[in-house]
Formats: sequence, C-alpha cells, structure tokens
Amino acid sequence: DTEVTQTPKHLVMGMTNKKSLKCEQHMGHRAMYWYKQKAKKPPELMFVYSYEKLSINESVPSRFSPECPNSSLLNLHLHALQPEDSALYLCASTPREKNEAFFGQGTRLTVV
Amino acid sequence: RKEVEQDPGPFNVPEGATVAFNCTYSNSASQSFFWYRQDCRKEPKLLMSVYSSGNEDGRFTAQLNRASQYISLLIRDSKLSDSATYLCVVNPEFDKLIFGTGTRLQVFP
Repeated sequence: DTEVTQTPKHLVMGMTNKKSLKCEQHMGHRAMYWYKQKAKKPPELMFVYSYEKLSINESVPSRFSPECPNSSLLNLHLHALQPEDSALYLCASTPREKNEAFFGQGTRLTVV
Repeated sequence: RKEVEQDPGPFNVPEGATVAFNCTYSNSASQSFFWYRQDCRKEPKLLMSVYSSGNEDGRFTAQLNRASQYISLLIRDSKLSDSATYLCVVNPEFDKLIFGTGTRLQVFP
C-alpha cells in the first residue's frame, strides 16, 4: 500500500484568504514532502519533514507555512497568496528503508 | 547549470519502436536515482529505481554511469499507453529529491 491522500483536490481562493492543504499517509513513512508544479514544468521541492522535523526549506515565501502535527499528517497553510502561486501542489512520502517518494494526487490551487 | 537535466523532447515514436531518454546530474555525491512517469494532470508515479549495475523491468531498462553522472531509460516495444512525461529524479542529499525537466513521449499507432 503506497497511498498518500491529499485534500482538497481542487481549491479556489482569493488573495486575502487563509486556507490549508492537507496530506495524510498511514504507511509509517519517515519523510514527507511538499512540491509545487506549474503547467509543463517539473515538480519543485518546497519543504521536507523528516521524522516530523522540518529538514529542508527551499527558501519558499513565508505566505506558505508547513506544519507536521504527527508522523502521518502534513499540512500546508496558505495566506495572502498571489495569482502566480496557482499550481498543482503535491505531497509525497518516503519509506524508512528507501529513498523513493510516493505522491498523492495533488491539490490544484487557483488564486484569484 | 541545473541540478538535473534531461532531453527536452517531445519524442514522437510509432508503436513497437525502441526509445531512449537521457539525464545528467550535477552533484557527484548523489546516491539514489529514479525514473518517474507523469500523465497529463496526474501525479508522478515511480517507474523504477536505477541501480549502479543497471536494471530491467519488463520492457524498461535503466542504466547509471556515475563517472559521467548520467542516467538513461530505454523503452522497448513502445505501447500507446507509454505516452507520458518521463522524469529523472536524483537524490543529491538525504531526503532531498530533485526532478529533471522531464521528457515527453508520444507513441502513435
């Protein structure tokens, strides 16, 4: 079972809104990731949590705020986003013994 | 120089053809290497890991050349269902997975 679940699947938000993206996996994976993907571009790494601690932050603007409440959950809090932040946001997780990542279906975010 | 670079594509090939994709990476300390495929508007899915000795999974063969910092993917007997974007992924440091730009493959009847 390599299921990573993301909610919501689609989100439209205004530039003054606050919203959160959620990601969940129950496979006991050690690391969880947020990636951002624009159309016709590869996924770009945003944040990595390893054993519930933020281990990598790729200089993402502070309007994106990650949170890892426990080893199964990963949130991405959004505030004051810009239209150029519209993208597919992908969550992934990595098993304890390997480095390969398994992805959720993503949240397609539109900022208006 | 980008951390992971791929042939830009697109590759348009007939069914049954053999096609090869290349990927180069810049960080010689990279330890793990993967090929993912991504269908339009879907999430990336792991196709195969790439091992130093090379490995095969059915019609797919992956090779790694650490000296040249080069990875390849060979697809034999292409199927229509192989049409997708193929992403080379490299692990330059612990827990950091970096994607290449991707190569688009279109297999036609």
